[in-house]
Amino acid sequence: KNEVEQSPQNLTAQEGEFITINCSYSVGISALHWLQQHPGGGIVSLFMLSSGKKKHGRLIATINIQEKHSSLHITASHPRDSAVYICAVINMDSNYQLIWGAGTKLIIKP
Amino acid sequence: EPEVTQTPSHQVTQMGQEVILRCVPISNHLYFYWYRQILGQKVEFLVSFYNNEISEKSEIFDDQFSVERPDGSNFTLKIRSTKLEDSAMYFCASSRGYYNEQFFGPGTRLTVL
Repeated sequence: KNEVEQSPQNLTAQEGEFITINCSYSVGISALHWLQQHPGGGIVSLFMLSSGKKKHGRLIATINIQEKHSSLHITASHPRDSAVYICAVINMDSNYQLIWGAGTKLIIKP
Repeated sequence: EPEVTQTPSHQVTQMGQEVILRCVPISNHLYFYWYRQILGQKVEFLVSFYNNEISEKSEIFDDQFSVERPDGSNFTLKIRSTKLEDSAMYFCASSRGYYNEQFFGPGTRLTVL
């Protein structure tokens, strides 16, 4: 079983739609990253959070430590949001290694 | 804004050759990392480095891999004798502390022929 599971694997939506990507994990963590990977391959860190909620522009990330679950929301989605969104956790059980989810490929159609 | 840089952006090499991938972490960061992403697969941790020594490594990071901080700014990943299966995107990252946010370089695409 993967230690970090993301859903959905693929998501296609129309411009303007509210997007939710989910991440569940099975290990003890000190924090969780949401990252964005564009088709060119580069990885950009969007958020790191260990509790509650963070907001940056149209992006909102929430985490529920008790339920071992995090969500990334995008409001008023735009075609430039099309990318792979990756959840990665800092694993307390394995010397604080970053363990990566498989990513969610998001396509926003105009 | 400070950023992590990596060179080269693309490296093509013959099987069996040695390659060195270079990274310049953010200057006040103390922890450095290498990750690998084989095409179509998820990112995998290779190694973390602090205080001039490896602090953690994965089972992927076998004897053919080594890391070094040869001067105050560069952080390198060496693959001694490349195999076809080493073809991947290699990302360097750095962070202020072990629990802090990691910042990623743009990656080096390694192609082994």
